[in-house]
Amino acid sequence: SQTIHQWPATLVQPVGSPLSLECTVEGTSNPNLYWYRQAAGRGLQLLFYSVGIGQISSEVPQNLSASRPQDRQFILSSKKLLLSDSGFYLCAWSEAAFSYNEQFFGPGTRLTVL
Amino acid sequence: GQNIDQPTEMTATEGAIVQINCTYQTSGFNGLFWYQQHAGEAPTFLSYNVLDGLEEKGRFSSFLSRSKGYSYLLLKELQMKDSASYLCAVSDSNYQLIWGAGTKLIIKP
Repeated sequence: SQTIHQWPATLVQPVGSPLSLECTVEGTSNPNLYWYRQAAGRGLQLLFYSVGIGQISSEVPQNLSASRPQDRQFILSSKKLLLSDSGFYLCAWSEAAFSYNEQFFGPGTRLTVL
Repeated sequence: GQNIDQPTEMTATEGAIVQINCTYQTSGFNGLFWYQQHAGEAPTFLSYNVLDGLEEKGRFSSFLSRSKGYSYLLLKELQMKDSASYLCAVSDSNYQLIWGAGTKLIIKP
């Protein structure tokens, strides 16, 4: 069966500090991978998605970046965090085929920027 | 543009029935998903509709009308644990999920 891991679960960082959130998927190959952010009481905002190693599409221009160094690894980074980067960050995966594309979510990382 | 609309918040009584509506305007349609999200947790899959009609799964049912760009999630015999946000998402022509902002459902005893 497939599982998706995210860490850390919670993070408190000062403004201007760097960020690295990691997501890994097990039990599937060549998945589509997604990074979302969810502000308190709000919907999901798609930040990045990837259809393969080294292939990243950015949905929202900002001070965040994403990388996919391995097939089942997706990393979200920032060189300098802003207060507005606070939120609940969710990684998700789906099958790569152009068909039924249910997304499966990791447990999330709650980031607070002070 | 692409747009998914659902009510921001609804309140219902334990044991009752509640219907959460979702209307959408998207570039193409390859199915509609409903997810449940408890506070502080990740969304979990509830249902998927790609053809018109009603899909029933235990206490939860989901309905789709493609011609009207409309879906609803019906929750029966409400329990306190059903208090959560319910997210509607449409798979567009590129098989990308377009997400609604979610409906927060409050269950009162």
